[in-house]
Order: sequence, then C-alpha cells, then structure tokens
Amino acid sequence: SAVISQKPSRDICQRGTSLTIQCQVDSQVTMMFWYRQQPGQSLTLIATANQGSEATYESGFVIDKFPISRPNLTFSTLTVSNMSPEDSSIYLCSVPGTSGIEQYFGPGTRLTVT
Amino acid sequence: GQQLNQSPQSMFIQEGEDVSMNCTSSSIFNTWLWYKQDPGEGPVLLIALYKAGELTSNGRLTAQFGITRKDSFLNISASIPSDVGIYFCAGQTSSNTGKLIFGQGTTLQVKP
Repeated sequence: SAVISQKPSRDICQRGTSLTIQCQVDSQVTMMFWYRQQPGQSLTLIATANQGSEATYESGFVIDKFPISRPNLTFSTLTVSNMSPEDSSIYLCSVPGTSGIEQYFGPGTRLTVT
Repeated sequence: GQQLNQSPQSMFIQEGEDVSMNCTSSSIFNTWLWYKQDPGEGPVLLIALYKAGELTSNGRLTAQFGITRKDSFLNISASIPSDVGIYFCAGQTSSNTGKLIFGQGTTLQVKP
C-alpha cells in the first residue's frame, strides 16, 4: 500500500480564516480523495481530485468553501475557507490501491475552529 | 442517497470473547471493505471483499460479502485489548468513480 502523509497533523484556527491541508503520496496515483470526519461521526467524501482536471465535489460541498489543487500525481491540497466552528473535524486524504478499488488513508488533519 | 446501516453502534466485551458486527444496505454494492480506526489515526484497511458470497480471513478476522450483495459482516475471534477501536464498513457501487460509502462505525472496547 502507498505511504501517505498529511500536513499539518492538527491545527487550531480562528473563525473566518482559511487553512490549507497538504497530502503527499509516495507513488503516482490518478485519483485522490478528500474526506471529512466530524467529531464522533463516520467519514464523508468531500471530493475526488484527479490530476489535470477540476475536482468533483459531492452533494453538500462546494468549491468556494473547499478549493482543491492537484498539481501532480503525488500531491494534493484541500483548503477549508472562511472557517466556522462547524468545520471542526478530521480531514483525511486517501488514494486507491493497485486494484483501484480499496482505498488507503493518510493519518488525517485534526482541525479545531474557535 | 445510498446508506450503510452498521450495527451494533458500540460493544464492550471481555478479552477472549468473539465479536460480530455487520452492515446492511438497501442498495447493491460491488465491493465491501472493512477498516479499523485508532484514536488520532486514519482508518486502516483490514479486509477487502470483491464478490458475492466471498469469505475472507485475515488472522483472527473473518469477513463475508453477502449473497444478496446488500450486506457484509466482520467477525473477530478471541479478542485482545489491542482490538479496541472503531470499525467501519465501506461499500463501493461503481469501480469507475472509486467512491466509497461508509457505515456509521462500531466502537469496540475490550476489558482485559
């Protein structure tokens, strides 16, 4: 499985500011996924990031709030914009395995908005 | 939208006991995956199931892909304290999109 790292591992941010989360993979992958895990909840897919094209967002998530970059096949960023306390969550990136079906997750970024 | 109903929501068991949890859906899935998440970590893949009826083991873990393709279960035998964590099922309806839908999770606590 791929080795995935995320930065920062955690942060505490003020309401109204923005935070950019980085996801780095040790191998080239076509798809990268961004998930949100609210406190005590399950994982919800935010968007799929393909290199060379615009990210595809799931219902309830919009590009203005969660802009995504995918400059190459090993890296992606997710920005949480104009944050409010409701954005306090763990944000996780994942990549498909060699079969293209299973997904492997990074360690997550724990965001607290005050 | 598609939903996975995972049960039980939580379990508190004695070390050495066997554990069973399951996921059901009204939709058909092509793939079922089981993950474990420890505090402060991302989910780790335990078992992947690719076809209906498939029964797969990984050490003390056994999972099955239901014949109807609408359910899956995970069994853990002879539980140990390090089994503590949150277990998630996840299903995929289309391999083209790669998207996964996650269950609500089962929190497992093991008493030594």
